[in-house]
Amino acid sequence: SAVISQKPSRDICQRGTSLTIQCQVDSQVTMMFWYRQQPGQSLTLIATANQGSEATYESGFVIDKFPISRPNLTFSTLTVSNMSPEDSSIYLCSVEWVSNYGYTFGSGTRLTVV
Amino acid sequence: GDSVTQMEGPVTLSEEAFLTINCTYTATGYPSLFWYVQYPGEGLQLLLKATKADDKGSNKGFEATYRKETTSFHLEKGSVQVSDSAVYFCALSDRQSGAGSYQLTFGKGTKLSVIP
Repeated sequence: SAVISQKPSRDICQRGTSLTIQCQVDSQVTMMFWYRQQPGQSLTLIATANQGSEATYESGFVIDKFPISRPNLTFSTLTVSNMSPEDSSIYLCSVEWVSNYGYTFGSGTRLTVV
Repeated sequence: GDSVTQMEGPVTLSEEAFLTINCTYTATGYPSLFWYVQYPGEGLQLLLKATKADDKGSNKGFEATYRKETTSFHLEKGSVQVSDSAVYFCALSDRQSGAGSYQLTFGKGTKLSVIP
């Protein structure tokens, strides 16, 4: 299975600013996913990112707020823009691996907006 | 659409007690089923999985059997330890069945606390 390096692991940000989260995978993967986990809640899919195409966003999430880049098969970024305290959450990236079917997650980015 | 229903927590058990966390699902195809575990302050780790009916996933003393007739995938462990304290998520994916849903659909999670 793939190994994901996600950073930063945590950050405290001022409202109105933006934070970019990076995920680096140790092998080439087709599908990458970005999730949000609000405090004490389950995971909600933000978007699916394929290399070379626009990310596909889930209902309630928009590109202007959560722009995503996927420049190659091993890397993706998620930006949380114009942050407010309601954006305080854990953000996780995930990849699908096909050979031994399943999904691996990054260790998460714990974001606090003040 | 796909959905996963997990038993509500939190669950508190004494060390060496038997654990069951119930999970049922609704899916359009024949999904693959997963249990993930999230230890305090960490990301999600795959605990076990099953990709077809009657498959049993197992890992670290945990087991779950894919029951198509009852659309269930209950997590069990015969003797829990303090180190098992974590949040457990049941999840499904319709990816392999060709139903077109590529991502995981998660239950709400069950927080387990094991006391000495």
